[in-house]
Amino acid sequence: NAGVTQTPKFQVLKTGQSMTLQCAQDMNHNSMYWYRQDPGMGLRLIYYSASEGTTDKGEVPNGYNVSRLNKREFSLRLESAAPSQTSVYFCASSPQVTHSGNTIYFGEGSWLTVV
Amino acid sequence: GNSVTQMEGPVTLSEEAFLTINCTYTATGYPSLFWYVQYPGEGLQLLLKATKADDKGSNKGFEATYRKETTSFHLEKGSVQVSDSAVYFCALSTGGFKTIFGAGTRLFVKA
Repeated sequence: NAGVTQTPKFQVLKTGQSMTLQCAQDMNHNSMYWYRQDPGMGLRLIYYSASEGTTDKGEVPNGYNVSRLNKREFSLRLESAAPSQTSVYFCASSPQVTHSGNTIYFGEGSWLTVV
Repeated sequence: GNSVTQMEGPVTLSEEAFLTINCTYTATGYPSLFWYVQYPGEGLQLLLKATKADDKGSNKGFEATYRKETTSFHLEKGSVQVSDSAVYFCALSTGGFKTIFGAGTRLFVKA
């Protein structure tokens, strides 16, 4: 009963280092997402993938890249980490988009600190 | 643009108290409305939703009614438990891939 699994759970980076957050879902969902959560700001969409083979920018894409490796996996890369990227990152998925909106299924989060 | 505003927290209640968390929205078109809950150390999970005006979503004793005339979707529970301590997020979707989340309201329930 895994759902959405993301790794690592905790990471400390130095400014300028790079890293990749991995995410996989086992619910056969078409769409996947990366969000960041900051105090007082709710969740903000970084990138999403509507379906395998496509990716699109969300609200706050600067400083990030993504790869939809296959239907199950969607990774988020920080090429040169900055302190402003200190946040909690959530991977998520949804089965399909309808006119009445999505129900989104979230992973447990990755706590990233950039020093 | 679309937005969600929810009451600032934290909200602190005693066990068995009545809970209301206010949520109002601004949206073009006819959005679907959601409440998600985040327990400590976990990701968000859907609590309830409503897809059209006057619909009532309910789950685990929580309820929210989609009020188009007041653009609101307030979350209520008649008797909270310690296990309800969490952060609650109101959200909207007009279809498509970009769900808009509120800032979240933290609830503490004391025994």
